[in-house]
Amino acid sequence: GAVVSQHPSRVICKSGTSVKIECRSLDFQATTMFWYRQFPKQSLMLMATSNEGSKATYEQGVEKDKFLINHASLTLSTLTVTSAHPEDSSFYICSARRTSGAGTQYFGPGTRLLVL
Amino acid sequence: DAKTTQPPSMDCAEGRAANLPCNHSTISGNEYVYWYRQIHSQGPQYIIHGLKNNETNEMASLIITEDRKSSTLILPHATLRDTAVYYCVEGNMLTFGGGTRLMVKP
Repeated sequence: GAVVSQHPSRVICKSGTSVKIECRSLDFQATTMFWYRQFPKQSLMLMATSNEGSKATYEQGVEKDKFLINHASLTLSTLTVTSAHPEDSSFYICSARRTSGAGTQYFGPGTRLLVL
Repeated sequence: DAKTTQPPSMDCAEGRAANLPCNHSTISGNEYVYWYRQIHSQGPQYIIHGLKNNETNEMASLIITEDRKSSTLILPHATLRDTAVYYCVEGNMLTFGGGTRLMVKP
């Protein structure tokens, strides 16, 4: 149990376009979902936390108008990178947790974004 | 800044136990310690977590010191497939440190 999927697994897009990444909890309901970004040879950096039905909470330095997060259901959260630029190229990873408080996070397989 | 500190890298011989330490001196009394590992180009995989007592599951054992300021993840019989970056994270998981790159060698 506790499987999280992401789609797509990799995407290449042109500079200036928008890209949507989906994160789904397949066998449990996720009250809270998280979005991380990971650059090569670096650790995971939390971008934002979203609770189902609420607006996402963004970490300092993460532009909420550029990285749009929607968590409309207990099994789906989406991250849209708007007007993507080459510096947005990264590995984006989501995770999901059953509860809004403490608890184990289960991570998706990640989405590799390359902006040309 | 990361709240946990781990050695950046460790080597282990295949078949031997791998002991990965972590310092989490600022952990709150009700926060769990979680361990994950990340194999190259994949999402982190949950391994184990604990609060005060030592824990064991099919993947690993977790030893937590009595003062809860540090813990050790033990992989009892490391295999080549255990080569990965291992992260020790405090309960809210808002901050990941650099982790330990474990290299299991034949």
